[in-house]
Amino acid sequence: DAGVTQSPTHLIKTRGQQVTLRCSPISGHKSVSWYQQVLGQGPQFIFQYYEKEERGRGNFPDRFSARQFPNYSSELNVNALLLGDSALYLCASSLGTGGPYEQYFGPGTRLTVT
Amino acid sequence: AQKVTQAQTEISVVEKEDVTLDCVYETRDTTYYLFWYKQPPSGELVFLIRRNSFDEQNEISGRYSWNFQKSTSSFNFTITASQVVDSAVYFCALRRTNSGGYQKVTFGTGTKLQVIP
Repeated sequence: DAGVTQSPTHLIKTRGQQVTLRCSPISGHKSVSWYQQVLGQGPQFIFQYYEKEERGRGNFPDRFSARQFPNYSSELNVNALLLGDSALYLCASSLGTGGPYEQYFGPGTRLTVT
Repeated sequence: AQKVTQAQTEISVVEKEDVTLDCVYETRDTTYYLFWYKQPPSGELVFLIRRNSFDEQNEISGRYSWNFQKSTSSFNFTITASQVVDSAVYFCALRRTNSGGYQKVTFGTGTKLQVIP
């Protein structure tokens, strides 16, 4: 079975632009989470979606938004890009939320803001 | 609030040496999960192990072993007879077992391990 997939792999944007990142979870997984990993740091939680509803949000500004589609894939949108948004954006999928459900991570999208 | 501390920023060892990666965590929860992930240069986080806070039994899996001590809030990871392929960044992480129905995972800052041939 295919793992978590993310697109695009790399992206270069200019300050002030908007960007959309995409994630397809493992087949059968209904939950998708997004993380931001700045170079040299651990991943920081941004959002979790389950059954198309937002279930959790990390400490990120409103410029960050996401949604989950009926097929459980997800998009992360970032508006008014800042240089500090340059990072590896990781998507993780799981069968459910909370409890013992394991999260499986995708390869990430590396965003560079110039 | 939850916090994970990995005090070792970078470690270099010669191939075949044993190496231990330290992890100390803080949480007010009585039940939680602890994880170790490996992140090779490709960027994808690879799951290594999960431990429930009720399960303090230490585990050995091949060249990997884990030492979970709830009394000292530590969850250390040891690689025996290290190999060049073990070179990566290793993250320790903490997750509440039931936090309003979502899985916010708190990661440490990572330990970069370099195994020198």
